[in-house]
Amino acid sequence: AQSVTQLDSQVPVFEEAPVELRCNYSSSVSVYLFWYVQYPNQGLQLLLKYLSGSTLVKGINGFEAEFNKSQTSFHLRKPSVHISDTAEYFCAVSDYSGAGSYQLTFGKGTKLSVIP
Amino acid sequence: GAGVSQSPSNKVTEKGKDVELRCDPISGHTALYWYRQSLGQGLEFLIYFQGNSAPDKSGLPSDRFSAERTGGSVSTLTIQRTQQEDSAVYLCASSPTGGYGGQYFGPGTRLTVT
Repeated sequence: AQSVTQLDSQVPVFEEAPVELRCNYSSSVSVYLFWYVQYPNQGLQLLLKYLSGSTLVKGINGFEAEFNKSQTSFHLRKPSVHISDTAEYFCAVSDYSGAGSYQLTFGKGTKLSVIP
Repeated sequence: GAGVSQSPSNKVTEKGKDVELRCDPISGHTALYWYRQSLGQGLEFLIYFQGNSAPDKSGLPSDRFSAERTGGSVSTLTIQRTQQEDSAVYLCASSPTGGYGGQYFGPGTRLTVT
């Protein structure tokens, strides 16, 4: 079974500073990788995904992530954060279960707090 | 267009009662997933439906949990004889492609068992 490790449970950062949220996954032949964002009392919103092709993936709200197969990492970055980016971010991997399901395995989440 | 909707948004029930949680997926999405989000366990897969195929129930934590999907659209998650450890947010997600390209989540149902 796949596993996902998000190394930081909380990340405080000043407004307009850059941020990197780290994610590592357990190795597999092929994986599909995702970042989701969850605002308070809301569901999960898809930020970006890596399925194949270019290892640098751009998503919504100015976020991007880089797939690194040798390091089994998929770190999320943003060059300049806004107050509105304060939320919890989840890294996830989708792996074919063999029973037809591409269920997501999530990391524990990283709470990003943007400080004015 | 309309996203995934779930009802109720909040549910408080007494221990031992049965509850039903409803999910309306995005129109045309053939895959539907249920997940549970709790403080202790994080986000966990529960069950998966794809078209008319048999569901993947491998994530259901006990036989008190069941789900069905009628007409390939609306899904209901039922928890019988609720326990306090069932308190969590139950999230539904749908996908047009089986899920490998990403899943679209609803706002969730917060279940509190007293």
